[in-house]
Amino acid sequence: AQRVTQPEKLLSVFKGAPVELKCNYSYSGSPELFWYVQYSRQRLQLLLRHISRESIKGFTADLNKGETSFHLKKPFAQEEDSAMYYCALKGDNYGQNFVFGPGTRLSVLP
Amino acid sequence: DTEVTQTPKHLVMGMTNKKSLKCEQHMGHRAMYWYKQKAKKPPELMFVYSYEKLSINESVPSRFSPECPNSSLLNLHLHALQPEDSALYLCASSQFNAGVFFEQYFGPGTRLTVT
Repeated sequence: AQRVTQPEKLLSVFKGAPVELKCNYSYSGSPELFWYVQYSRQRLQLLLRHISRESIKGFTADLNKGETSFHLKKPFAQEEDSAMYYCALKGDNYGQNFVFGPGTRLSVLP
Repeated sequence: DTEVTQTPKHLVMGMTNKKSLKCEQHMGHRAMYWYKQKAKKPPELMFVYSYEKLSINESVPSRFSPECPNSSLLNLHLHALQPEDSALYLCASSQFNAGVFFEQYFGPGTRLTVT
């Protein structure tokens, strides 16, 4: 079964500090991992996907299959990064769909 | 057009009412989804349509009835709801090809309150 865990419900950092939002998963096949972000009063939107290995808004995430992790990192947090972040997993079998983690609320303090 | 739109933004309904939520996308996506999101919780999948056919129903009560009239539209018909059904209802769409669902794009949601 697919499962995504995000151990921190709330993470508070000061502006300019590094931030890491943790995501661990359990899945026996080759999953695709995603990070979605939900800013206050805005729609859920795709932030990153592991297959594209891109950096969006200064965020990066590397899939570590050995540790079954997909942590989201940014070297210098900005106040506008404050939002709810969801890690999501999609299985590689036919019809398998997204499973979202419980989410981490990031609060960047001035 | 690269957005998923949903109407209405807000809906208040009584337990005996019948109402519908609407979702539209013009990105050529052939998979569309309904999710339910309670406050401070992740989205929970309700239904998935692929090529206008219902492919996944996550054991949703029959008071929720989805409909996909064409490849761009997705409706959710509501009847005899309970107060605990109050939530944000999200629509999403994605590419779907050779049995593979791709990353999803979400609408802004309809905030439903059942009184």
